[in-house]
Amino acid sequence: EAGVTQFPSHSVIEKGQTVTLRCDPISGHDNLYWYRRVMGKEIKFLLHFVKESKQDESGMPNNRFLAERTGGTYSTLKVQPAELEDSGVYFCASSQDRRFRMADEQYFGPGTRLTVT
Amino acid sequence: KQEVTQIPAALSVPEGENLVLNCSFTDSAIYNLQWFRQDPGKGLTSLLLIQSSQREQTSGRLNASLDKSSGRSTLYIAASQPGDSATYLCAVGWKNSGGSNYKLTFGKGTLLTVNP
Repeated sequence: EAGVTQFPSHSVIEKGQTVTLRCDPISGHDNLYWYRRVMGKEIKFLLHFVKESKQDESGMPNNRFLAERTGGTYSTLKVQPAELEDSGVYFCASSQDRRFRMADEQYFGPGTRLTVT
Repeated sequence: KQEVTQIPAALSVPEGENLVLNCSFTDSAIYNLQWFRQDPGKGLTSLLLIQSSQREQTSGRLNASLDKSSGRSTLYIAASQPGDSATYLCAVGWKNSGGSNYKLTFGKGTLLTVNP
């Protein structure tokens, strides 16, 4: 079974540019999460999708960040325009529908390292 | 606001030693607690998940305990090996009363080095 995949693995952009990160969850996982780790800090929650709906976006830092999950499969996280403080590693995770045992166990992707210069 | 602290930040031990990693959290109203391992440049690998009603979980040489009332969890690694070298992360799970919202709050991690 393929795990959570993320693309690109690394992105370097200039301040003011736009970047789109993609996450492909494990097939059949209804829940998809985005997290971010800024250098020197802990990993922090950004938002949670259930299928194609945003269930909780309380962790999104500001309106420069836009997440979508069309069709309830893969998700994209767009940063527009990027600022220096957006640099960090963006992780995606997925988990099964909560009807399943251990539904809350999250499986993480390798992350996308974003560098804004 | 939930805060998760992991002590120590870094640990270096000789191969074969048994060791304990500590995690503490400020709000005892947790849903579950998950321990992860992260290798350099890789994603997080789930090691153990303990539900709030459980006291411990075991997988191979790993044993995780949970004391919700005191806000503590420990990860015990028996007979450590060089392949255990990685960053170990503790994450506390929170779920709302309706059960629809769920998220993890992470500690900064413990960097473990096991020397041959």
